[in-house]
Amino acid sequence: EAQVTQNPRYLITVTGKKLTVTCSQNMNHEYMSWYRQDPGLGLRQIYYSMNVEVTDKGDVPEGYKVSRKEKRNFPLILESPSPNQTSLYFCASSLSGLNSYEQYFGPGTRLTVT
Amino acid sequence: AQTVTQSQPEMSVQEAETVTLSCTYDTSESDYYLFWYKQPPSRQMILVIRQEAYKQQNATENRFSVNFQKAAKSFSLKISDSQLGDAAMYFCAYRYLGGFKTIFGAGTRLFVKA
Repeated sequence: EAQVTQNPRYLITVTGKKLTVTCSQNMNHEYMSWYRQDPGLGLRQIYYSMNVEVTDKGDVPEGYKVSRKEKRNFPLILESPSPNQTSLYFCASSLSGLNSYEQYFGPGTRLTVT
Repeated sequence: AQTVTQSQPEMSVQEAETVTLSCTYDTSESDYYLFWYKQPPSRQMILVIRQEAYKQQNATENRFSVNFQKAAKSFSLKISDSQLGDAAMYFCAYRYLGGFKTIFGAGTRLFVKA
């Protein structure tokens, strides 16, 4: 089954404790992206990757890191989480051609930083 | 910078009736995609319908249709014969053709009354 998986689905952590949210897709997609969803703000793009070893900042990259060492994986790293990073996080992937418009979303990760 | 605005935080519709969700956007580009995504309580992001800006004909998918007004930069979603399963958060989104950034609106929560 074609899918994007994220782990963990729920995470409660404390300020300053490094964490990684994993994202993996099995569709051989070149393009992957991370979003955060907050009430009243919709989804905002954090980082995206056009292919292996190629990443770029989205609209809200501060406090986050990413890496793309393999095509299928795109982990999101919070080196020193803070309470304002409490949010719902989505990973998404798609093909990268001009006509490749559809993004496939993961199930989301609910992160709480206390 | 591109922006997407959904001016209706909440909408309500009676089962079997028709409802229209509004979306406006701002861009200086001429080639782009517009999307409506549905997010039910499961939090999964589901693509409902898309519109290519170069197409004048409005997109339709079963009970869902759009009214795309390029000059006015307006992209509304009409849901006909509303069903209880249509209750969800709906996001309007913009993506520049060939680009990698997707801009989402803040969302409209749709309630369907039995």
